[in-house]
Amino acid sequence: GAVVSQHPSRVICKSGTSVKIECRSLDFQATTMFWYRQFPKQSLMLMATSNEGSKATYEQGVEKDKFLINHASLTLSTLTVTSAHPEDSSFYICSAKGGIYEQYFGPGTRLTVT
Amino acid sequence: AQKVTQAQTEISVVEKEDVTLDCVYETRDTTYYLFWYKQPPSGELVFLIRRNSFDEQNEISGRYSWNFQKSTSSFNFTITASQVVDSAVYFCALSAEYGNKLVFGAGTILRVKS
Repeated sequence: GAVVSQHPSRVICKSGTSVKIECRSLDFQATTMFWYRQFPKQSLMLMATSNEGSKATYEQGVEKDKFLINHASLTLSTLTVTSAHPEDSSFYICSAKGGIYEQYFGPGTRLTVT
Repeated sequence: AQKVTQAQTEISVVEKEDVTLDCVYETRDTTYYLFWYKQPPSGELVFLIRRNSFDEQNEISGRYSWNFQKSTSSFNFTITASQVVDSAVYFCALSAEYGNKLVFGAGTILRVKS
């Protein structure tokens, strides 16, 4: 089946620094990728939709200048959390859509901001 | 707007008991897709089933079964003869288009005790 990877799986950073998370579709081309955030013991909330070669579409309430998304190729999307603060600590999950097919989820990245 | 409600926050059962996880959805779309995912402690989402709005047939896969009823906007999930390995958070989700962004329910924590 389709495989999506995320890197890193865990990251700890200091407040005020930026962190980049990569999402890769390993065996298929993903025209669209999605970024979700999950706070502890809560559900997944869509942050943004990333389309290859165009600007991401952010959900209401998500700061586009804080969460920079780049989808430079059909197999890679990156999420950069800029000037991270403790309240950004969360589990970030990406998913990739290939053509008309369903979404395939990555294993997630646990971000802790100290 | 789309909405998914999982009213059961947490369920505890003893091994070998049957358990049903409820899911009620809201959407104005005539074509939509319903999903169930399992999230074990590792955090990675495991796809369980997808059902489109035109297919109301119930489905059985091993110990798992799903009951889709459009009349009550419900898509319930039953685990028969539960096992400790079934312990996880289970999410019901809805999308307007196949492979499009997902709206997740709050999730139900299932604890199966031996």
